[in-house]
Amino acid sequence: DAKTTQPTSMDCAEGRAANLPCNHSTISGNEYVYWYRQIHSQGPQYIIHGLKNNETNEMASLIITEDRKSSTLILPHATLRDTAVYYCIVSRGATDSWGKLQFGAGTQVVVTP
Amino acid sequence: DTEVTQTPKHLVMGMTNKKSLKCEQHMGHRAMYWYKQKAKKPPELMFVYSYEKLSINESVPSRFSPECPNSSLLNLHLHALQPEDSALYLCASSQGGYSYNSPLHFGNGTRLTVT
Repeated sequence: DAKTTQPTSMDCAEGRAANLPCNHSTISGNEYVYWYRQIHSQGPQYIIHGLKNNETNEMASLIITEDRKSSTLILPHATLRDTAVYYCIVSRGATDSWGKLQFGAGTQVVVTP
Repeated sequence: DTEVTQTPKHLVMGMTNKKSLKCEQHMGHRAMYWYKQKAKKPPELMFVYSYEKLSINESVPSRFSPECPNSSLLNLHLHALQPEDSALYLCASSQGGYSYNSPLHFGNGTRLTVT
């Protein structure tokens, strides 16, 4: 699976949009971009995923560049409860050795009042 | 609350003990996973079961023994662990099969301390 690069940490003001970047320059054509987050003392929580097109759900939006070498997760109106470690992962998504879901270091996001 | 239930939430065991971690899901998912997470580190994949068969073993020491008795249950049997095995053990499930890109649903983990 391709590796990802994320900033170590980010601060965001409550009520503002949080834009979390992720670089995945070695992504393969059949690999998806997944975003998960982990709030302290909880298991990781799925946020969103996409292959080529931009995606939006009730939690966030995912913007993938045309060359698919980078993406941005957008939390439209950050709240204090969005404080968490955010993981960007690229994976084929299979349950065999071809597509293991492996976590990188992630970005620690702190939302401040 | 999560749809993947892990028990117990906390476990303290000695190096000579045998214990088991349990994981249960009732979402009809056919893939189940064990991850290990050390403090301030990302989760690390240990095992993957697909349709109740072990499909991935990330070279995990034999003192960790997974078992998938049916499609809803996943166990992790522990024996002769070392203090460095102390960690948060996370279970996850996904639809699997042809829905290979479906997201993982995680439980909140078992906090294991080996003394």
